[in-house]
Amino acid sequence: KAGVTQTPRYLIKTRGQQVTLSCSPISGHRSVSWYQQTPGQGLQFLFEYFSETQRNKGNFPGRFSGRQFSNSRSEMNVSTLELGDSALYLCASSLALLAHRRSDTQYFGPGTRLTVL
Amino acid sequence: QKEVEQDPGPLSVPEGAIVSLNCTYSNSAFQYFMWYRQYSRKGPELLMYTYSSGNKEDGRFTAQVDKSSKYISLFIRDSQPSDSATYLCAMKGSNFGNEKLTFGTGTRLTIIP
Repeated sequence: KAGVTQTPRYLIKTRGQQVTLSCSPISGHRSVSWYQQTPGQGLQFLFEYFSETQRNKGNFPGRFSGRQFSNSRSEMNVSTLELGDSALYLCASSLALLAHRRSDTQYFGPGTRLTVL
Repeated sequence: QKEVEQDPGPLSVPEGAIVSLNCTYSNSAFQYFMWYRQYSRKGPELLMYTYSSGNKEDGRFTAQVDKSSKYISLFIRDSQPSDSATYLCAMKGSNFGNEKLTFGTGTRLTIIP
């Protein structure tokens, strides 16, 4: 079974631009979560999507948004990029057979490394 | 103060040694505890998953959770150079507001041949 895939793997943008990152979860997985990883802050939760609905959100500004499609694929968008947005953006999927189950294991993709100049 | 504290290292040990990695946390609602391994330029890979207090063993890896002390550990026996990576602890609860994974900052481990 294929793992979580993320595209693109590397991206260079300039301040003020916007960017869209894509994530394809493991086949059959219904929940997708996004994380930002930086050397100083570590892994920080951005948001989680389940059945095309955002059901959890971290403490990030509104410039960070996401969505999930009916096939569970997800995208995240960052508008008006700032230098501090340079990071590895990780997507993780989990089975979520039952909507209320919170114990499901998350499997991570390789990440998209975003550099903002 | 962060909800999850983890010594960032770096930690260097000779091949064959026993490695001990630890995290402390402050949120008593956390019930699910995980250890992830992350190689350079890769995404985190799940190593161990434990529910509530107790020990869990998988090959050379043993995870321990002590909820009374809010302390979790990962032990690696007979360490190998291929174990060189960053190890992240992660945890979450099941009640509202605690369902998201909260990570430690990671410990960078190097096994010296």
